[in-house]
Amino acid sequence: AQKITQTQPGMFVQEKEAVTLDCTYDTSDPSYGLFWYKQPSSGEMIFLIYQGSYDQQNATEGRYSLNFQKARKSANLVISASQLGDSAMYFCAMRETSGSRLTFGEGTQLTVNP
Amino acid sequence: NAGVMQNPRHLVRRRGQEARLRCSPMKGHSHVYWYRQLPEEGLKFMVYLQKENIIDESGMPKERFSAEFPKEGPSILRIQQVVRGDSAAYFCASSPRLFRDLGFDEQFFGPGTRLTVL
Repeated sequence: AQKITQTQPGMFVQEKEAVTLDCTYDTSDPSYGLFWYKQPSSGEMIFLIYQGSYDQQNATEGRYSLNFQKARKSANLVISASQLGDSAMYFCAMRETSGSRLTFGEGTQLTVNP
Repeated sequence: NAGVMQNPRHLVRRRGQEARLRCSPMKGHSHVYWYRQLPEEGLKFMVYLQKENIIDESGMPKERFSAEFPKEGPSILRIQQVVRGDSAAYFCASSPRLFRDLGFDEQFFGPGTRLTVL
């Protein structure tokens, strides 16, 4: 069974600094996708970035990058130059190619301080 | 292209009543997923449907919960005889197809329906 672990219930960062949100996963499927979503206080789920298990390079999307370490089964999200609007809940998720569902971690609440 | 639409956004029910949650997928999307988010928790998969078919309902409680995605109209998540423990945010997501490239097929999420059971 697939599993996602986010060990940081809460993280704090100063505005304009970088922050890393941790995510480890467990799966026996050799082919899978890893996702990060942002959930602001308004509640919607916003897709941020995706990493495929066979991708050779780490994914990047603007200020977001994914530090993918396949052997360690980790997919940490790095947010550079944090902004006040980055304050939100962040969820790591995985989908195995053999399945359909997304499995989510418990989330990390990020607070950006001015 | 309108995003995934869910209604109502907020729903209040008394114990024992029925709750009906609606989800209209993005245009051209034939795959719909329902997830539940209990307070202070991550999203948990409930059910995956294609038009007129339930593909995977392994995350659905065995009793009181049902889902459908008819040929015409939105997908419906129905909760009968609601209890306080059903209070949660229910999210619908849609995707155009199951697989693309090496398996990435982004699921686009709706804004959610927040169900409160009194």
